[in-house]
Amino acid sequence: DSGVTQTPKHLITATGQRVTLRCSPRSGDLSVYWYQQSLDQGLQFLIQYYNGEERAKGNILERFSAQQFPDLHSELNLSSLELGDSALYFCASSAGTGTNEQYFGPGTRLTVT
Amino acid sequence: AQKITQTQPGMFVQEKEAVTLDCTYDTSDPSYGLFWYKQPSSGEMIFLIYQGSYDQQNATEGRYSLNFQKARKSANLVISASQLGDSAMYFCAMRGPMTGANSKLTFGKGITLSVRP
Repeated sequence: DSGVTQTPKHLITATGQRVTLRCSPRSGDLSVYWYQQSLDQGLQFLIQYYNGEERAKGNILERFSAQQFPDLHSELNLSSLELGDSALYFCASSAGTGTNEQYFGPGTRLTVT
Repeated sequence: AQKITQTQPGMFVQEKEAVTLDCTYDTSDPSYGLFWYKQPSSGEMIFLIYQGSYDQQNATEGRYSLNFQKARKSANLVISASQLGDSAMYFCAMRGPMTGANSKLTFGKGITLSVRP
């Protein structure tokens, strides 16, 4: 158990809908990262937050947005969902921006039908 | 831009034997970090080992060791005394530069390892 929690574990929704994925980092970790794992694109970095502020953006679509709250949990919002958004979404956390290890949560498997 | 290359096809190893999983990387940053993660069929990503670009010695963590050859830009993972529970997908990843605020990981495509009894 990495100490990072993600909810829900599975999510099935229809095209055009909006969903919110939730992540709680390890106790004391200030950085949260979101990654998307799909069969065709592999594991891709989406976005990073550090202590409530956005630090880096990767290949995140405009239909996607994220935020980190004062209690350090983070949410990833996916809207106008398309079939191609079906993927495993991981949240990871680390103590800071200069630390080495990123610990991953169990992931949320999103299926868009 | 950073790039991680894992080109081995599915790997097979006999239980209790050692196996090497290959990883090559490309970066223009002088300071970077290399990681290996394990993803079993259940889906979670498990951190295995880390190697910094300025580390003098190869990293080791239990049965895992990283064969870091900086000049060749390779960071191969060696698993000694393979166990059935080692069957999984293994990902090599890079972070860099280490002094930057951007800590994102760039992943390779992964290698599937199957351990035979």
